[in-house]
Amino acid sequence: EVQLVESGGGLVKPGGSLRLSCAASGFTFSTYSMNWVRQAPGKGLEWVSSISSSSSYIYYADSVKGRFTISRDNAKNSLYLQMNSLRAEDTALYYCARRYCSSTSCYGAFDIWGQGTMVTVSS
Amino acid sequence: DIQMTQSPSTLSASVGDRVTITCRASQSINNWLAWYQQKPGKAPILLIFDASSLESGVPSRFSGSGSGAEFTLTISSLQPDDFATYYCQQYKSYPRTFGQGTKVEIK
Repeated sequence: EVQLVESGGGLVKPGGSLRLSCAASGFTFSTYSMNWVRQAPGKGLEWVSSISSSSSYIYYADSVKGRFTISRDNAKNSLYLQMNSLRAEDTALYYCARRYCSSTSCYGAFDIWGQGTMVTVSS
Repeated sequence: DIQMTQSPSTLSASVGDRVTITCRASQSINNWLAWYQQKPGKAPILLIFDASSLESGVPSRFSGSGSGAEFTLTISSLQPDDFATYYCQQYKSYPRTFGQGTKVEIK
């Protein structure tokens, strides 16, 4: 079964740090670009960051640039998000999501999502 | 950044109704648009990619159309399982951006 499982969320004070992990299984992780998408309580979806299969290309939303770092370990089938200088507005459910690829092409849509890990930034 | 605007924000409909949700981009995104369904407490599910291509396993009552800057998601005959929030997302450029969502409620 194709699966993504996030972990590492929790309660952290403003200015603190957290490292999220996403464990992938059921597919060849090393061939897929991966993403983080977040959703604040009661709000819509917000793309956070993307990383290509070999980590050659990395992108961030302006709201997290300079504070968050995306990375991956293809040997461990894992995706990470290091979050520093956390703010109250970073409070959200963080999803990892796989870039959709068919047998012939890849698209910018996200076809597999984890269940998310909750990050709460509060004093 | 490309802004995505969905309308309406909330839609009340009955089982069997034909439902249409609109998504407008602040500039042309060709057909690089996806639609997702999200139910409370659950992760989003990909319904449509490339504006009109149905993801495998998605019921055929869902369809997408449009190109350039205006797109629609249509549910031909609303089923009880379809009451949810729907999001569009552009992937023409970074940052990837989502619409604010359209909640489909029971009338």
